[in-house]
Amino acid sequence: QSVLTQPPSVSGAPGQRVTIYCTGSSSNIGAGYDVHWYQQLPGTAPKLLIYGNNNRPSGVPDRFSGSKSATSASLAITGLQAEDEADYYCQSYDSSLSVGVFGGGTRLTVL
Amino acid sequence: EVQLLESGGGLVQPGGSLRLSCAASGFTFSSYAMNWVRQAPGKGLEWVSGISGRGGTSYYSDSVKGRFTISRDNSKNTLYVQMNSLRAEDTAIYYCAKEDGDYEDAFDIWGQGTMVTVSS
Repeated sequence: QSVLTQPPSVSGAPGQRVTIYCTGSSSNIGAGYDVHWYQQLPGTAPKLLIYGNNNRPSGVPDRFSGSKSATSASLAITGLQAEDEADYYCQSYDSSLSVGVFGGGTRLTVL
Repeated sequence: EVQLLESGGGLVQPGGSLRLSCAASGFTFSSYAMNWVRQAPGKGLEWVSGISGRGGTSYYSDSVKGRFTISRDNSKNTLYVQMNSLRAEDTAIYYCAKEDGDYEDAFDIWGQGTMVTVSS
């Protein structure tokens, strides 16, 4: 059972917008800790997609955006493309566990 | 080019030991905290351990505390994890990951991973 809760799967058609939610608690996201998002394409290592809630590393398309509110965060992907099909993970710090924690991951399927 | 390259994975019996290495290049290794993250087959990411840039502070998940020891040799630009008393549930791909300098816990560079299989 992950400390950060994500839906196991989401899907969307090419060109559509999808949103992946990451629900935490008062000891992690709600405590003000930053949320980061990773994309893991099949058979590859994770890649930092969003850091500090809503910042994109160089090279990440602006189709990807992040936001945070209260005890949850979200990753939005607009103009969905076939190459976006991957697993997405949120990450934050948990003060009660005193460690970084990942969400369980969400598999995005592009229909 | 900034790069992390893990090595040392393999098949080990339950109760055995293994040491993983992660060779870093393309950045000032000693300036950044480093971490190990693992992924069991078909499962999600699990943070395992982290160490400060100078190596003076280390952190562990409860699942490996007392069995794993993280270390680094900044003169060799290499991160290590010594894994003892291995269990079947330690079977996973082990990734080393570099922390972003400004955002703690944001891992901006990852290695390709090395597979550890604990089985008799």
